Amino acid sequence: QVQLVESGGGVVQPGGSLRLSCAASGFTFSSYGMYWVRQAPGKGPEWLAGIWFDGSKKFYRESVRGRFTISRDNSENTLHLQMNSLRAEDTAVYYCAKIRTIGTGDAFDIWGQGTMVTVSS
Amino acid sequence: DIQMTQSPSTLSASVGDRVTITCRASQSISSNLAWYQQKPGKAPKFLIYKASSLESGVPLRFSGGGSGTEFSLTISSLQPDDFATYYCQQYDTYPWTFGQGTKVEIK
Repeated sequence: QVQLVESGGGVVQPGGSLRLSCAASGFTFSSYGMYWVRQAPGKGPEWLAGIWFDGSKKFYRESVRGRFTISRDNSENTLHLQMNSLRAEDTAVYYCAKIRTIGTGDAFDIWGQGTMVTVSS
Repeated sequence: DIQMTQSPSTLSASVGDRVTITCRASQSISSNLAWYQQKPGKAPKFLIYKASSLESGVPLRFSGGGSGTEFSLTISSLQPDDFATYYCQQYDTYPWTFGQGTKVEIK
């Protein structure tokens, strides 16, 4: 079945780095835009970054631009999020998500189970 | 950024009640709006796209409406499995943004 599985979360000190991965299965990964969304404890979801199906375009929210980098490996059906210069306010559950259709703007129809990132000294 | 404002923040209702959640966008987003349901410790579950189109497998008691800046999610007859937090999300303009959520509680 269609599935997304995140990995790579953990505890990191402020200023540190982490690389999240999202393994996709059950659909043609190379045909869909993919996204990262995070959710801080007790808060609503927050869209972070997106990448077109072929990796040719990337989009970031302002608060992570220059610190986070989204990438994908269509040969391995994997999405990544490289997070540098982490701050306490980056503490959240990080989800990868697939958009519903082959296009550039649509709802997130499939979500991973999430991976927790805690930034603390 | 486009701000999405949901009301109410919390809704107390009983099984069988008809409930409506409202979502307002700070500028027009056409019909580029989705609704999600989230239960504690779980990822959001996709319910509705294009403001009013029901995702396959979602019970018919869920319906969505609206366009432009005013949207709604209605549950026609609340079931025990529907007690959760609901979020709207616009995907019209980057950065895509979510509402703050509406928690549907048991009365």
